[in-house]
Amino acid sequence: DAEITQSPRHKITETGRQVTLACHQTWNHNNMFWYRQDLGHGLRLIHYSYGVHDTNKGEVSDGYSVSRSNTEDLPLTLESAASSQTSVYFCASSAGAEETGELFFGEGSRLTVL
Amino acid sequence: AQKITQTQPGMFVQEKEAVTLDCTYDTSDPSYGLFWYKQPSSGEMIFLIYQGSYDQQNATEGRYSLNFQKARKSANLVISASQLGDSAMYFCAMREPNNAGNMLTFGGGTRLMVKP
Repeated sequence: DAEITQSPRHKITETGRQVTLACHQTWNHNNMFWYRQDLGHGLRLIHYSYGVHDTNKGEVSDGYSVSRSNTEDLPLTLESAASSQTSVYFCASSAGAEETGELFFGEGSRLTVL
Repeated sequence: AQKITQTQPGMFVQEKEAVTLDCTYDTSDPSYGLFWYKQPSSGEMIFLIYQGSYDQQNATEGRYSLNFQKARKSANLVISASQLGDSAMYFCAMREPNNAGNMLTFGGGTRLMVKP
């Protein structure tokens, strides 16, 4: 079965360190997204990609970067982790706009920045 | 301005009763899509139901139905015959047509607690 997986599921790091969260999907979806979830804010969009070599900033992109070198993967990098980036991160993917546009989510990655 | 508003941070419902979770949205585009997701305590996001802005009938999926009132810009989720397993966070989300890649904007969520 097709799926979307994130790793690591849990990570603790220190302020200033670089962190990369991996996201891998086997749906063959062109569209991929990174959201962060914080209490009271729901899910907020960090970055998204509509295809290979395409990346776009979302609502809360400061301090984050992504790259899309193939269809399956969209890694999220925190260049210099800050305590404000402690959150749960969700990767998601979707098919084209001709379908309902349901997002398929990964299991989430809980990041703690000390 | 918030595009998706869920005004109920938390709600209780008695098992086997119906419950309505509120969602209002803001858009000037005539074409859009509305979604509801469930997030149980285990953390995964589960797609429940979808309503297109041009759909003539309210969407239904098993015990879930979407009370779509276009003029009022509301898309409330109705869960019939609540079960203990329905206890979870519920998120309303919207896709606007200029987002060709199906990017969704989410509301802040409602925590539903089902009492036995």
